[in-house]
Amino acid sequence: DAGITQSPRHKVTETGTPVTLRCHQTENHRYMYWYRQDPGHGLRLIHYSYGVKDTDKGEVSDGYSVSRSKTEDFLLTLESATSSQTSVYFCAISDWDSTMYEQYFGPGTRLTVT
Amino acid sequence: SQQGEEDPQALSIQEGENATMNCSYKTSINNLQWYRQNSGRGLVHLILIRSNEREKHSGRLRVTLDTSKKSSSLLITASRAADTASYFCATDQGANSKLTFGKGITLSVRP
Repeated sequence: DAGITQSPRHKVTETGTPVTLRCHQTENHRYMYWYRQDPGHGLRLIHYSYGVKDTDKGEVSDGYSVSRSKTEDFLLTLESATSSQTSVYFCAISDWDSTMYEQYFGPGTRLTVT
Repeated sequence: SQQGEEDPQALSIQEGENATMNCSYKTSINNLQWYRQNSGRGLVHLILIRSNEREKHSGRLRVTLDTSKKSSSLLITASRAADTASYFCATDQGANSKLTFGKGITLSVRP
């Protein structure tokens, strides 16, 4: 498995509270991504990063912010969690090589907002 | 919006049979990738096919790409119970390394 870890793996939080999810990689890959996975929607891109301090929005970025101060860490923050943000969150990494941006995924974080 | 749409949504076959899954997409692509997800786990890359390729093999996997029809198929031959998983196609439109995933196909292989 690629060296990607996510923390926490499970979290239950209340509506209105801030939540930060962490993705950590040991592969020194340039690109990092945050997705959410919901039944009937597949994987949807929230935000991605193409370098330290370089980030951009994905398809479903409202209510989320990200930061990347080091190559190895990509943080996803829900400023004020809502029940609609209950989901499974996946981090992924990739880099340009002969495999052309094949992505490697972390184990996921299951977030429940009550 | 979803770029890749897989078909069928669910597939149930007997061990030893072949499984064929299809993916259609809307806009031009650099490459198309297939991923597998076992229950409760992250996605795992299976195979990538470039836009100038028509067919690719990897072990029991065969992928075809028809850019004129904007479609791809994934064939798993001689399926095993361990192939039970969800399968996703993902398209790379060449925009900052982003992939757009379909909603997935649930494959069940009965022993």
